[in-house]
Amino acid sequence: LAKTTQPISMDSYEGQEVNITCSHNNIATNDYITWYQQFPSQGPRFIIQGYKTKVTNEVASLFIPADRKSSTLSLPRVSLSDTAVYYCLVGDFIPRDNYGQNFVFGPGTRLSVLP
Amino acid sequence: EAQVTQNPRYLITVTGKKLTVTCSQNMNHEYMSWYRQDPGLGLRQIYYSMNVEVTDKGDVPEGYKVSRKEKRNFPLILESPSPNQTSLYFCASSYYRDRVYEQYFGPGTRLTVT
Repeated sequence: LAKTTQPISMDSYEGQEVNITCSHNNIATNDYITWYQQFPSQGPRFIIQGYKTKVTNEVASLFIPADRKSSTLSLPRVSLSDTAVYYCLVGDFIPRDNYGQNFVFGPGTRLSVLP
Repeated sequence: EAQVTQNPRYLITVTGKKLTVTCSQNMNHEYMSWYRQDPGLGLRQIYYSMNVEVTDKGDVPEGYKVSRKEKRNFPLILESPSPNQTSLYFCASSYYRDRVYEQYFGPGTRLTVT
C-alpha cells in the first residue's frame, strides 16, 4: 500500500467547510483512495472512495488532482457530530483470487468541530 | 439490519488463558478482517479472509489465530494471551462492487490481559 501523510489534527467551527488533505506521492496506477471516519470507541465507517477527479456523495466530496499524488476530503458545513478521526487509505482494493488484502490505517486526522 | 457483531465487547483475562473473540456478519460478504487499535499506532490488520477456508496474515499476526469455517463467522483466537495483546479489536467485513470496496466494522472488543 502507498504510504500516506495527513495532518495530525484540525480544528473547525460549526457550519464551516472542512478540507483534509492526504499526500500519497508513491501511489500506483491501480490504487484507489478511500476515506474512513471513526468516532471514539467505535469502528471506522466508510465515507468515500475515488480514483481521479472528483467524487461526491451525500456526506462528502473527494478531490483528486491529475497527478493523483494527493487527495482532499471535503466536508461541507460541519457540525459538532463530525468531530472524529478521519483516515486516508490508498491501495489496490480490488480483490482477486488468492490475492491478499493488507490494509494499513495510519494515525489519521483528528478533527475537532467547535461551537 | 446489516451489521457486524462482536462478542464479548469487553474482556479482562490473565496471561496464558486461551480466549476467543467471535465475529459475525449478516451481509453475506466474502471478505473479513481483524484489526487491533492502539494509541498512536492506528489500526493494524491482524488477519484477513478472502472466503471460507481462505485466510492470510496481516501486519501483526503473531500470537493470533483465525478460522473461517462459515462465511458469516470469523473468530479471533488468542491461544496464550500476553499483556502486549491488550488492545481494542475490530472485526470488519467487506464487499467489492461497482469498483468500490467498502469495509463494515464491528463495534469493537476491548481486551485487557493482566
